[in-house]
Amino acid sequence: AQTVTQSQPEMSVQEAETVTLSCTYDTSESDYYLFWYKQPPSRQMILVIRQEAYKQQNATENRFSVNFQKAAKSFSLKISDSQLGDAAMYFCAYRSSGYSTLTFGKGTMLLVSP
Amino acid sequence: DTGVSQDPRHKITKRGQNVTFRCDPISEHNRLYWYRQTLGQGPEFLTYFQNEAQLEKSRLLSDRFSAERPKGSFSTLEIQRTEQGDSAMYLCASSLGSDEQFFGPGTRLTVL
Repeated sequence: AQTVTQSQPEMSVQEAETVTLSCTYDTSESDYYLFWYKQPPSRQMILVIRQEAYKQQNATENRFSVNFQKAAKSFSLKISDSQLGDAAMYFCAYRSSGYSTLTFGKGTMLLVSP
Repeated sequence: DTGVSQDPRHKITKRGQNVTFRCDPISEHNRLYWYRQTLGQGPEFLTYFQNEAQLEKSRLLSDRFSAERPKGSFSTLEIQRTEQGDSAMYLCASSLGSDEQFFGPGTRLTVL
C-alpha cells in the first residue's frame, strides 16, 4: 500500500517570504500523480498543484512550485512571496494512475505572520 | 454556487443512533467519493461511485456504514448504531473521470 509522510506538523513564515513544505511517499509503482491540497480553517479543500510522475519538469502555478524527486520519492511544495491568505493546512496526496482514490499525508499547518 | 454541497454541515447524535449525510456533486461529474477526516489526520478514503455503481470500498467502511448513489447524482452515507469513534469530518468529493477531485465543505459528526 502507498503511504504519504509529511514530517512537519507546523511551519511558520512571514509575509513576502518563501517557505517549503516537505512530503515523502512510498510506492512500488512507476506511474502515479502527486498533489498538494490546501484546507483553510472551516473551508473546503482546494487543489493547489499537481504533478504527473512521468513528467520530469516540476509543476508551477503562480507563486506555488514543487520540487519532485522521483528517485528519492520526495515531493516538496515551495510557496514564494507568502501572503496571509496562504495560512491553512496543506496536504500532500498520492494517486495511482490506474485508480481514482487519493492517499493523503497528515498535513502541515502553515502559519503566516505579518 | 455550483460546487460540491453537503448536508448537514454539523450533526450531533447520541451513541447508538443512526445518521445519514447527503452529498450533491458538481452536476456533470460522474465520480463521487467519500472520505473521513479525524482530528490531526489527513482524509482517508471510504468509498467511491462511478455513476450509480459503487466501485470500491475501503476496509475502513465497516458493515455499519452504507453508501448509495441511486440515480448517479446525489449520494447518501448512512452510519448505523453510531459509536464515539465515528466522530469525524465526512468529506465528499466529485470528479469528471479521473480528473481533479473537487471537495465539499464536509459534515462534522459528533457522537456523544
